[in-house]
Amino acid sequence: GENVEQHPSTLSVQEGDSAVIKCTYSDSASNYFPWYKQELGKGPQLIIDIRSNVGEKKDQRIAVTLNKTAKHFSLHITETQPEDSAVYFCAASIPNTGNQFYFGTGTSLTVIP
Amino acid sequence: DGGITQSPKYLFRKEGQNVTLSCEQNLNHDAMYWYRQDPGQGLRLIYYSQIVNDFQKGDIAEGYSVSREKKESFPLTVTSAQKNPTAFYLCASTPGQGAYEQYFGPGTRLTVT
Repeated sequence: GENVEQHPSTLSVQEGDSAVIKCTYSDSASNYFPWYKQELGKGPQLIIDIRSNVGEKKDQRIAVTLNKTAKHFSLHITETQPEDSAVYFCAASIPNTGNQFYFGTGTSLTVIP
Repeated sequence: DGGITQSPKYLFRKEGQNVTLSCEQNLNHDAMYWYRQDPGQGLRLIYYSQIVNDFQKGDIAEGYSVSREKKESFPLTVTSAQKNPTAFYLCASTPGQGAYEQYFGPGTRLTVT
């Protein structure tokens, strides 16, 4: 099956700086890559996603890039704010597998005011 | 409001007892999922269902059972056979039919002593 690795596991940045979280996947058949933000004690919230026919997608301060050849994708958060502090998960999905999602192990982001 | 509801938010049980976690969605989504989340780990798939009256085992199905009698509901039973049931349980759904976005409920924290 698919294997998704995520780095780093923890990340601290100063408010206003950028944060980058990286994920790699193993199965070239994966074609959908969402990112989730999870606050303590809550369910993950979908914040941005990208499909394999697109190289980059941006939504205000967050962006995701995908390199299909290298099988890696990254989340970029610019102008970080304290409310960005949370755990972020990447995932990959392979079509025709019942919409199964394979998750990374998460990155705990702390934005220092 | 549309969304996924899980109840209760916190659940306590004695070892050896079965317990059922509720998951309801009013998004008219076809597919529903149950994940388990342990500290410092990603989300692990327990069971998923693409349509009513059909479901498949995920990576860690042992000690769990599910049913999908209605499109809106996908309850999870944690049986006494599950060796380490204490965890945070998340229910999710996707529209299905090639639409990939997966949305999560708020989760149920189960503690078994």
